[in-house]
Amino acid sequence: GAVVSQHPSWVICKSGTSVKIECRSLDFQATTMFWYRQFPKQSLMLMATSNEGSKATYEQGVEKDKFLINHASLTLSTLTVTSAHPEDSSFYICSAQRPVLNEKLFFGSGTQLSVL
Amino acid sequence: GENVEQHPSTLSVQEGDSAVIKCTYSDSASNYFPWYKQELGKRPQLIIDIRSNVGEKKDQRIAVTLNKTAKHFSLHITETQPEDSAVYFCAANPNAGGTSYGKLTFGQGTILTVHP
Repeated sequence: GAVVSQHPSWVICKSGTSVKIECRSLDFQATTMFWYRQFPKQSLMLMATSNEGSKATYEQGVEKDKFLINHASLTLSTLTVTSAHPEDSSFYICSAQRPVLNEKLFFGSGTQLSVL
Repeated sequence: GENVEQHPSTLSVQEGDSAVIKCTYSDSASNYFPWYKQELGKRPQLIIDIRSNVGEKKDQRIAVTLNKTAKHFSLHITETQPEDSAVYFCAANPNAGGTSYGKLTFGQGTILTVHP
């Protein structure tokens, strides 16, 4: 089946620094990837849709200047949390789907971000 | 937009019993309803899904039913085992098959505990 890889698995950073998270589709080309955020004991919330070769589409309430998304190739999307603050601490998880009708969605392994 | 409500928030059963988790959705255009199992700190794993042209789907001990008229769908797990203990999420997608096939709206999650 489709495999989505995400790195790093966890990261601890100081407040004010930036953190980059990578999401790769390993055995297929993904023109679209999705970034979700999950706070402890809560559900997954869609942050943005990453489109290869064009600007990402952000959900309402998500700051595009704080959560920079780059989808420069058909197998890689990156999420950069800029000027991270403790309230940005969360589990970030990407997902992708082969561009085939009725294909299932697969998730990356997730990145646990802790901002001190 | 879509709104998905999931109940119960916690469910405790004895090994061998059945477990039922219910979800309702608001957008009548939704036509894809996956269920995910998530263990602590791990990625959500798709366990079963159903599309709007089907009323019921079964895979071994797991089944999902869909009532489009009432806009609700349910997960049924029979002969539960301790390893079924996890958080279960339902989700809905109003654009499955289109360009936003990965834009899932998740329910709040159900913590299932199966006691030996």
